[in-house]
Amino acid sequence: DLVLTQTPLSSPVTLGQPASISCTSSQSLVHSDGNTYLSWLQQRPGQPPRLLIYKISSRFSGVPDRFSGSGAGTDFTLTISRVDPEDVGVYYCMQATQFPYSFGQGTRLEIK
Amino acid sequence: QVQLQQWGAGLLKPSETLSLTCAVYGGSLSGDYGTWIRQFPGKGLEWIGEISHSGITKYNPSLKSRVTISVDMSRNQFSLRLSSVTAADTAVYYCARYDFPYMDVWGKGTTVTVSS
Repeated sequence: DLVLTQTPLSSPVTLGQPASISCTSSQSLVHSDGNTYLSWLQQRPGQPPRLLIYKISSRFSGVPDRFSGSGAGTDFTLTISRVDPEDVGVYYCMQATQFPYSFGQGTRLEIK
Repeated sequence: QVQLQQWGAGLLKPSETLSLTCAVYGGSLSGDYGTWIRQFPGKGLEWIGEISHSGITKYNPSLKSRVTISVDMSRNQFSLRLSSVTAADTAVYYCARYDFPYMDVWGKGTTVTVSS
């Protein structure tokens, strides 16, 4: 199975400062159709995961533009340009290129 | 706006069968996939499987022998059954809509505890 590894596992950040989370795949996430099905999800305390980014860098409807995604092949990054209090939570990368779909182990974003 | 409402038994004994249902409101599963995902107490997420509106299923091989996902398009619902549960199946179970190429709508989750 395809394994996604996130770093760091915990990220204390200062409000208004940038934050970034990395996700590395054990295999290329490029699908046979040429697309890369790597998404980023946010999970606030007590809530289900929420889609932020799909296909590496496409921002989902309603997601603030301070969230951006980048990367290719096996290495991907979620960047928050200026951390806001509502960004506290756990962030997961997820791949839907290959069955079974899989998730990273999660990165906890907290405010310093 | 599409919403998913899920329900099912939250407390099971070992060897029993987990049964959950997810209803789609404000939209239809036509063209999409109904998906089940679980989150373990340590917060890790595991994809369980998916079903198309026409009933085509894909399962996680780690669970394949115990899992069945079904769909009832007349009721706009899809369901999960997981047999022979053990304590290792204790988790929050989520249903989600996979509207290719993303999972955009999630249910609130159902906490399932397996304990004798």
